[in-house]
Amino acid sequence: EVQLVESGGGFVQAGGSLRLSCAASGFTFSGQEMNWVRQAPGKGLESISYISGSGTTRLYADSVKGRFSISRDDAENSLFLEMNSLRAEDTAVYYCARGYSSGSHLGSWGQGTLVTVSS
Amino acid sequence: VMTQTPLSSPVTLGQPASISCRSSQGLVYSDGNTYLSWLQQRPGQPPRLLIYKISTRFSGVPDRFSGSGAGTDFTLKISRVEAEDVGVYYCMQLTHFPYTFGQGTKLEIK
Repeated sequence: EVQLVESGGGFVQAGGSLRLSCAASGFTFSGQEMNWVRQAPGKGLESISYISGSGTTRLYADSVKGRFSISRDDAENSLFLEMNSLRAEDTAVYYCARGYSSGSHLGSWGQGTLVTVSS
Repeated sequence: VMTQTPLSSPVTLGQPASISCRSSQGLVYSDGNTYLSWLQQRPGQPPRLLIYKISTRFSGVPDRFSGSGAGTDFTLKISRVEAEDVGVYYCMQLTHFPYTFGQGTKLEIK
């Protein structure tokens, strides 16, 4: 069974940093495209970052570009999101999601981890 | 921009439901595929993929869910709504990064 388990969320002051992790199991993590998607409280979904299966391509939404960094450790079957210069508007549940068939669709999602940024 | 209608849909159990999604730009990728998905988010749950590439049901999704459309206009249909279908439905395009979502349509039972 595919499982994605996010961790690392919490409460942080504006301007601070957090590192989110996503532990993957039940599939061959190496070579799989991965994504981070967030959802502000009571709001819709926002795709914020993508990493290719090789890790060589990393993409970011304008809202987080220059502040967030996505990475992966295939030996540990883990995905990461380094978040710096956090703002109140970054408050959200952060989901990791697995891309299928070369990014055709996001077929597996974790339960999410809540990040709260206090201004 | 992905625009969904309606934003709220009260439906009687056993009756059909339909949600529309319009994209402000074409979603055909250079490989000829259209990467338009539909996701369901039940209360307190993460999103769940229902449909991808316009009309392909994901593994384990009941056949009462179907997707259709082309170009910039797409539709999700539920043939007979069941109580477990309550939640918010999102269309999502993966043709262009950043991937973008519709605002969400809240499906509720009358």
